[in-house]
Amino acid sequence: DIQMTQSPSTLATSVGDRVTITCRASQDISTWLAWYQQKPGKAPKLLISKASTLEGGVPSRFSGSGSGTEFTLTISSLQPDDFAIYYCQQYINSWTFGPGTKVEIK
Amino acid sequence: QVQLVESGGGVVQPGRSLRLSCAASGFTFSDYGMHWVRQAPGKGLEWVAVMWFDADHRYYADSVRGRFTISRDNSKNTLYLQMDSLRAEDTGDYYCARFYYDDNGPFAMDVWGHGTTVTVSS
Repeated sequence: DIQMTQSPSTLATSVGDRVTITCRASQDISTWLAWYQQKPGKAPKLLISKASTLEGGVPSRFSGSGSGTEFTLTISSLQPDDFAIYYCQQYINSWTFGPGTKVEIK
Repeated sequence: QVQLVESGGGVVQPGRSLRLSCAASGFTFSDYGMHWVRQAPGKGLEWVAVMWFDADHRYYADSVRGRFTISRDNSKNTLYLQMDSLRAEDTGDYYCARFYYDDNGPFAMDVWGHGTTVTVSS
């Protein structure tokens, strides 16, 4: 089974900051990686697929990069609406989510 | 608009059964594969089961294999999850999510329902 890890687990940050979240896979997953955002009491929302493809309607301040086993989600300038939990997910071999990164207000 | 609406959650005793439903609208249901994903209280997301276009293409997480059955009725635009022999650790919010697929493989989960809550407790 492919295991996913994320770092950091929690990120205390401020509006306007640049935020980078790292996701690592236990084996090569090429670019079969997605990023989701989840707010309290809400369903997850797909932000990025195939490691770097921004979904329609997602603000351009979000970007994804990486391939193989290491990936990053970057928020170029954090907005108040971006405080949430972010999950990565591999979908090359079954489906596995990372443990999540909580982006909270400093 | 594109929408998925789950139902069927509730409180159930350990060892009993429950069937969840996911009603789809706003898109051609039979063109998409469907997942069930769950989230225990205060925890992360856990993939549960997937069904592609037919019953020959159904897969399960190890934690539910042999106890849960995913199925779909394309004539009713509805996805199901039959959950048998429920355990306390099955407690959580259950989401359905769609994915497209082509010859290159599956796409990510691009539309999610709002979820339905299952509580397994005596």
